[in-house]
Amino acid sequence: QVQLQESGPGLVKPSQTLSLTCLVSGGSISRVSDHWSWIRQPAGKGLEWVGRIDLRGSTNYNPSLKSRVTISADTSKNEISLKLNSVTAADTAVYFCARVGEPGYWYFDLWGRGTLVAVSS
Amino acid sequence: DIVMTQSPDSLAVSLGERATINCKSSQSLLYNSNNKNYLAWYQQKPGHPPKLLIHWASTRESGVPDRFSGSGSETDFTLAISSLQAEDVAVYYCQQYYITPLTFGGGTKVEIK
Repeated sequence: QVQLQESGPGLVKPSQTLSLTCLVSGGSISRVSDHWSWIRQPAGKGLEWVGRIDLRGSTNYNPSLKSRVTISADTSKNEISLKLNSVTAADTAVYFCARVGEPGYWYFDLWGRGTLVAVSS
Repeated sequence: DIVMTQSPDSLAVSLGERATINCKSSQSLLYNSNNKNYLAWYQQKPGHPPKLLIHWASTRESGVPDRFSGSGSETDFTLAISSLQAEDVAVYYCQQYYITPLTFGGGTKVEIK
């Protein structure tokens, strides 16, 4: 049974870089899916798509995050990573990693439990 | 960006009654080449991640009770719960995957009356 587990520091200082990891267990990441995304949710609010990665190497990010975000994959570690730099309080949220339901069609059939990141000095 | 607008923001329905949630997109989600609507619905309970209920606007995910149904096309979509159960109390979101940036509706909170 494939499971996703996000991890990272729960607290990041303003202007610093938020770094999160999503560990895929229960199967090789490249066999589980080629397509992964990060999605975030501020407390009590709705869902915001952060970006996506195709394990063949292409990435695509939400323009609202401008050039601050980088998503990468390490197939040897079965991990998807998210880096968001120059964070502010507005980046405080629960961050989820998610798997697409069908290759190339970006709805999400499997989600991690999420990890809460607070941006505060 | 495609804006997804859900209505109502919240609704209270008696157990066993029907609940209907609407989702409107700012542009058509119907891709003419395959005649599919790129629209998904999710259920989110407190402290849990979203759970996929429906994709392609009306295809129910495996294991999702058949009291959940999705309908609609182009810009107007509906999620219906035919007979509300206590375990259906949650926030429901629609999502378009027609084009990036992928966008979600603001959510509809369903409660028991």
